[in-house]
Amino acid sequence: NAGVTQTPKFQVLKTGQSMTLQCAQDMNHNSMYWYRQDPGMGLRLIYYSASEGTTDKGEVPNGYNVSRLNKREFSLRLESAAPSQTSVYFCASTRQGSGNNSPLHFGNGTRLTVT
Amino acid sequence: DQQVKQNSPSLSVQEGRISILNCDYTNSMFDYFLWYKKYPAEGPTFLISISSIKDKNEDGRFTVFLNKSAKHLSLHIVPSQPGDSAVYFCAASARSNYQLIWGAGTKLIIKP
Repeated sequence: NAGVTQTPKFQVLKTGQSMTLQCAQDMNHNSMYWYRQDPGMGLRLIYYSASEGTTDKGEVPNGYNVSRLNKREFSLRLESAAPSQTSVYFCASTRQGSGNNSPLHFGNGTRLTVT
Repeated sequence: DQQVKQNSPSLSVQEGRISILNCDYTNSMFDYFLWYKKYPAEGPTFLISISSIKDKNEDGRFTVFLNKSAKHLSLHIVPSQPGDSAVYFCAASARSNYQLIWGAGTKLIIKP
């Protein structure tokens, strides 16, 4: 089973460029999430989609947009990249909710550098 | 304001001994706690969880203890093995809000 697949694995952008991070899961999960991980900090939620057709802001949504394309796919878009968005981005999914009895399944991350 | 704190950035333990990783939280509304393990260049993977109605949960070599009055939980790994070398994240959630709040992680190094 592939689980959660993220593309690309690495990306370097110049300030002001745009890009879309792709995420797909094959576990028939309802909820999907985008996190960023920065050195010395825990994972921070950017956006999430509790179910197909819905998206909501997390803790750090500024500078990002998301699209829940269908049940399998949840993309994250940076419209105008900034150096502060240099980070490792993780996509995750879960059957429903991210708390009780529904552990998150993560992809292997996208390492993004903005120069 | 960090609601979930892992105050030890790293921990080194001899193979075969017990590893104890600690986590403190400040929000009394948290009622579910999870530990995730992360290897380099991979995403975190779920390890073990505990509900606030319990004070201990065990799964093989891994045991999580919860002390609600102290707002403290710990992960015990016995015996520690080389494959346990990884970064361990503590995370918490409240029933009213299913979003997880994460600690900064503790890097565990198991020495042969």
